[in-house]
Amino acid sequence: SAVISQKPSRDICQRGTSLTIQCQVDSQVTMMFWYRQQPGQSLTLIATANQGSEATYESGFVIDKFPISRPNLTFSTLTVSNMSPEDSSIYLCSVVVLASGELFFGEGSRLTVL
Amino acid sequence: DAKTTQPPSMDCAEGRAANLPCNHSTISGNEYVYWYRQIHSQGPQYIIHGLKNNETNEMASLIITEDRKSSTLILPHATLRDTAVYYCIVNQAGTALIFGKGTTLSVSS
Repeated sequence: SAVISQKPSRDICQRGTSLTIQCQVDSQVTMMFWYRQQPGQSLTLIATANQGSEATYESGFVIDKFPISRPNLTFSTLTVSNMSPEDSSIYLCSVVVLASGELFFGEGSRLTVL
Repeated sequence: DAKTTQPPSMDCAEGRAANLPCNHSTISGNEYVYWYRQIHSQGPQYIIHGLKNNETNEMASLIITEDRKSSTLILPHATLRDTAVYYCIVNQAGTALIFGKGTTLSVSS
C-alpha cells in the first residue's frame, strides 16, 4: 500500500480567495489523480497530474480554475482558484503504486467556502 | 460515465454475510472489476479486485460470473464497522477510476 498525506485536512475559506492542497506519497507511484466529492455525491475525477507537464483535465474542469502541479513523482498540488460556495467539497488525491499497480486514496481535504 | 449498476442500498445483520451485487454487462476483456468502500468522511478504501477468477483476501471475496457480466462482493461476517458506501468499478489497470453512486450498506445489530 501507500501512505498518502494531504494538507490541509480541512479549511474554511472566503469567497474569491484561492487555496492550494498538497499531496505527498511515501512510495514510488506511476499515476496521480485529483478527485472532487461534493456533499452527498460520489467522487468525480478532476484531472490526471502529469509529472513535468500540464495536467490532463476531465470535461467540465479547466486549468484556470483548478491549476495542478506535479514537480516530481511523489508530490502534487491542486489549487482551487477564485472560490465560490459551490466549490465546497472534499478534494481527494489518489495514486497508482508502482509495486502493485493498485490505486489508493488520501483522506481528503474538506473545503468550506463562505 | 460509470459502467456498473448497483442497488442503491442494502441492509445486513451483524455477523451475517453481506453479498453486494454488481452488473457490468459492457465490460471489456482487459478491464478489471474493482471494489472500494467509503466510510463516512474518509477517503475510499481499496477492498479487492479481479479479472476473471474469483479472488479472496482478508477483507472479502469477489465472485465473478463466467461471462464476466456481473460480480458479487462477499463480506463473510459483517460488523457494524462495515457500514459504508461500496463502489463497484470496472477499469483498466493503472488508470483513474470512474465512480458510480455505489451501494450504501447498513449493518445493524
